[in-house]
Amino acid sequence: NAGVTQTPKFQVLKTGQSMTLQCAQDMNHNSMYWYRQDPGMGLRLIYYSASEGTTDKGEVPNGYNVSRLNKREFSLRLESAAPSQTSVYFCASSVQRGVYEQYFGPGTRLTVT
Amino acid sequence: GQQVMQIPQYQHVQEGEDFTTYCNSSTTLSNIQWYKQRPGGHPVFLIQLVKSGEVKKQKRLTFQFGEAKKNSSLHITATQTTDVGTYFCAEDTGTASKLTFGTGTRLQVTL
Repeated sequence: NAGVTQTPKFQVLKTGQSMTLQCAQDMNHNSMYWYRQDPGMGLRLIYYSASEGTTDKGEVPNGYNVSRLNKREFSLRLESAAPSQTSVYFCASSVQRGVYEQYFGPGTRLTVT
Repeated sequence: GQQVMQIPQYQHVQEGEDFTTYCNSSTTLSNIQWYKQRPGGHPVFLIQLVKSGEVKKQKRLTFQFGEAKKNSSLHITATQTTDVGTYFCAEDTGTASKLTFGTGTRLQVTL
């Protein structure tokens, strides 16, 4: 099993450009999440999807959109990138009961100039 | 949004010394999880604590949940260079397995 995969690993955008970060998991998890990580700020939740067909805002959703394409895939879109969106983005997935540890992907390092 | 506070933010120890990081919340937690992130890596789940006063051990790591379920700690005995990384606690928000992560404690271990 690959676990959680993310593409791309690195990306540089100019202000105003758009892009989609892709995430897929092969663990049959119901819940998926997108986080951003900035120095000294820990991990902040952007959006999450409790199950296929549902998405909800997290702590910092402004400037982002998401799509839960199917149970495996959860994408994050930046419609008009801004320098403040320079960050490392992590996708994660989990089950919804028991010990629902989150499994993280390797991350995407995004720079907006 | 409110984040769970962790202290210290950073600690540098000599190999063999002990290390402790603390996680504090203003509200009663249903449960708490701990993650480790190596430099340049992604967070990896370590453990979940559920019961008041619970203590769990993983080799040199000891995790504790406060009696009032408002704080937690991670203690590492006799640190090794492989312990280097950032340790995060994460509290259960009670919604869709959603977690709120603490600000993290970065541990540096030197020989």
